[in-house]
Amino acid sequence: RKEVEQDPGPFNVPEGATVAFNCTYSNSASQSFFWYRQDCRKEPKLLMSVYSSGNEDGRFTAQLNRASQYISLLIRDSKLSDSATYLCVVNPAGTASKLTFGTGTRLQVTL
Amino acid sequence: GAVVSQHPSRVICKSGTSVKIECRSLDFQATTMFWYRQFPKQSLMLMATSNEGSKATYEQGVEKDKFLINHASLTLSTLTVTSAHPEDSSFYICSAGGQGSRTDTQYFGPGTRLTVL
Repeated sequence: RKEVEQDPGPFNVPEGATVAFNCTYSNSASQSFFWYRQDCRKEPKLLMSVYSSGNEDGRFTAQLNRASQYISLLIRDSKLSDSATYLCVVNPAGTASKLTFGTGTRLQVTL
Repeated sequence: GAVVSQHPSRVICKSGTSVKIECRSLDFQATTMFWYRQFPKQSLMLMATSNEGSKATYEQGVEKDKFLINHASLTLSTLTVTSAHPEDSSFYICSAGGQGSRTDTQYFGPGTRLTVL
């Protein structure tokens, strides 16, 4: 089993749609969780951290379920500019240590 | 978020030459930096963890004598690809650990695209 699993997609959605991505992780002791966004031929950029209480940043909402070892990202009112690959990332130790990446979920928002 | 720079952004070299890539944390001190490689349509693969003032820790399968890492200061780590070959052509990205209360967060440099002819 992969340490971090994501549906690779692609998810093709029209502008304005709501889309949700899910991710599961295998290490129950993992401490910190993140969603990064990576555009084609660019570096990953931090989108948001994920907390058990859930956190929202504009059109983006992230949620962590420790009991199910499950992380989600919800994007509301999708924009063309949201088209990218979304990486689910786990920091097992919760310190300045190496990250574990999912393979990424590709989102394509269309007119 | 924190700013991490990389230089050069793109390099094309002949087979057999060595290429040095610099990674700098611009607005914070990073005792730990990480070097990744990404081939087209594949995930980021961690190559090594760069520790300031000590030897780097390499992932399994990564040749330490081929990929030399130096982390001489709290703001600079370098990766040297020695005797580069076409199969070393890839996108090399560094990251640096966060600062303050968010040491668990990493910020990535813009990457260096290496093409070995």
